[in-house]
Amino acid sequence: KAGVTQTPRYLIKTRGQQVTLSCSPISGHRSVSWYQQTPGQGLQFLFEYFSETQRNKGNFPGRFSGRQFSNSRSEMNVSTLELGDSALYLCASSLRWALETQYFGPGTRLLVL
Amino acid sequence: DAKTTQPPSMDCAEGRAANLPCNHSTISGNEYVYWYRQIHSQGPQYIIHGLKNNETNEMASLIITEDRKSSTLILPHATLRDTAVYYCIAQAGGATNKLIFGTGTLLAVQP
Repeated sequence: KAGVTQTPRYLIKTRGQQVTLSCSPISGHRSVSWYQQTPGQGLQFLFEYFSETQRNKGNFPGRFSGRQFSNSRSEMNVSTLELGDSALYLCASSLRWALETQYFGPGTRLLVL
Repeated sequence: DAKTTQPPSMDCAEGRAANLPCNHSTISGNEYVYWYRQIHSQGPQYIIHGLKNNETNEMASLIITEDRKSSTLILPHATLRDTAVYYCIAQAGGATNKLIFGTGTLLAVQP
């Protein structure tokens, strides 16, 4: 079974631009979560979706948003990029909506110049 | 969610058992202990989880103390490919898959 895929793998943007990252979960998984990883803050939870509904949101500004489609694929968007948004963005999928093992993708590395 | 405390780094000789400790003294009754690891620049990988009883799978064993205030992850025969940051997480019960990662333990397996 194919794992979690994330596109693109690498991205370079400039301040003020916006970016959209994509995540395709493992087939049959309906829950998708997003995390940001930076050297200073470590791995931080962004948001969680199940059946197209956001179930949980981390402590990030409104510039960070996401959505989930009916096929469980998910996208996250960051508007008005700041230098501090440079990070590895990780997506994880799981079968159901609570206390499930998370399967992580390889991440999208975003560099904001 | 309970806070977990792990040593920042550990060394282990290749072929020997690696024992990674985790303290979660404020864990509540419905919180599971999960272990994930992250090999450099990759996404985290699930290893094992447990509630009260000791658990074993093909990757590792998890020993949870009777009072549930601490646990130990055991990699029975560490290899160089086990070099990674290991995260111990106390995941709350309830309607969420949210994981709260701490700083983890960097395990360096030495040849």
